[in-house]
Amino acid sequence: GAVVSQHPSRVICKSGTSVKIECRSLDFQATTMFWYRQFPKQSLMLMATSNEGSKATYEQGVEKDKFLINHASLTLSTLTVTSAHPEDSSFYICSAYGLAGAKDTQYFGPGTRLTVL
Amino acid sequence: GENVEQHPSTLSVQEGDSAVIKCTYSDSASNYFPWYKQELGKRPQLIIDIRSNVGEKKDQRIAVTLNKTAKHFSLHITETQPEDSAVYFCAASIFNNDMRFGAGTRLTVKP
Repeated sequence: GAVVSQHPSRVICKSGTSVKIECRSLDFQATTMFWYRQFPKQSLMLMATSNEGSKATYEQGVEKDKFLINHASLTLSTLTVTSAHPEDSSFYICSAYGLAGAKDTQYFGPGTRLTVL
Repeated sequence: GENVEQHPSTLSVQEGDSAVIKCTYSDSASNYFPWYKQELGKRPQLIIDIRSNVGEKKDQRIAVTLNKTAKHFSLHITETQPEDSAVYFCAASIFNNDMRFGAGTRLTVKP
């Protein structure tokens, strides 16, 4: 089946530092990638949608200067949490939308747990 | 924008019984409705989906029904097993973009 990888799987950083999370579609080209945030025991909240080569579209309430998204190719998108603070601690999940096998749908990455001290 | 509501938030059933989770959506333009199963600390996994041109879809013990007029869709799991225990999310989207998730249902199947 389709594989989406995320790196790193876990990261712990000090307050004020920036953290970059990578999302890759390994065996298909993703026309669109999505970034979600999940608080403990809560649903997935869409943060932004990105298409290769264009600026990301952010959801209402998501600061684009804080959560920088770069979609460099059809297989790679990055989310950079700038000047991270403890309230940014969360589980971040990317998904890639594309045609893999016989099914076109969103395929989720394994997630990145960010802890800001 | 789209708003998806999911009920119940928790559901406990005896092994072998059926489980039903219901979702409603607000945007009549939504045409793709997937269901995800998420085990603790893991990524959501697509278990079944339905498009707006279909009223019902079944895959072994799992079925989904869609009522476009009422704007609600449901997940049905029959002959539940302990390994079905997880959090289930419904979602709604237009052509699989900008997916909006329900709040999730924690299903516990007691052996």
